[in-house]
Amino acid sequence: EPEVTQTPSHQVTQMGQEVILRCVPISNHLYFYWYRQILGQKVEFLVSFYNNEISEKSEIFDDQFSVERPDGSNFTLKIRSTKLEDSAMYFCASSTGTSDTGELFFGEGSRLTVL
Amino acid sequence: KNQVEQSPQSLIILEGKNCTLQCNYTVSPFSNLRWYKQDTGRGPVSLTIMTFSENTKSNGRYTATLDADTKQSSLHITASQLSDSASYICVVTLYNTDKLIFGTGTRLQVFP
Repeated sequence: EPEVTQTPSHQVTQMGQEVILRCVPISNHLYFYWYRQILGQKVEFLVSFYNNEISEKSEIFDDQFSVERPDGSNFTLKIRSTKLEDSAMYFCASSTGTSDTGELFFGEGSRLTVL
Repeated sequence: KNQVEQSPQSLIILEGKNCTLQCNYTVSPFSNLRWYKQDTGRGPVSLTIMTFSENTKSNGRYTATLDADTKQSSLHITASQLSDSASYICVVTLYNTDKLIFGTGTRLQVFP
């Protein structure tokens, strides 16, 4: 069964360092998303991406964050200068349609620990 | 403010028993309401999706109900299994956006 894959599964970094989280969405999906979950808290929407551009972003997704689809398969989330409060599980998701209509398939997550 | 609240926060049941989880939301307008299962440290897995016009949706032993007038939903699990131990999250999609609004979840533990 097709699945969304994410790497790395866990990354530890020093505050101020750049981090890139990678995702391979399901191959025929057109809509891509990043969500995050701080330990013990709700899952929160970060950004949606369609047709090679951001379609929507939350207030969390500030200038320190960026997303890219560098080739036909990968979808990346970059955090330019990590802060302690960026420590969280980051989930990538993909779907064939928008959140209005499409079922979102989530990856297993990338746990980011900022020291 | 658009919020999704769930109860109970946690629930312990014996294997084979049924249980019902509750969700109340203030998201308006909304497109659909979803229930996800999330194992500890894993990604959420979709159980059901309902539009505002649907009252009930089943997926195996999982049955979700929706009352759009009272802004309430429930997830009923029948004949629970040990593998049902997980967090169950109610998620509402804000209309005409990509934004899914997640509840805090109900942590279900099924014991033999």
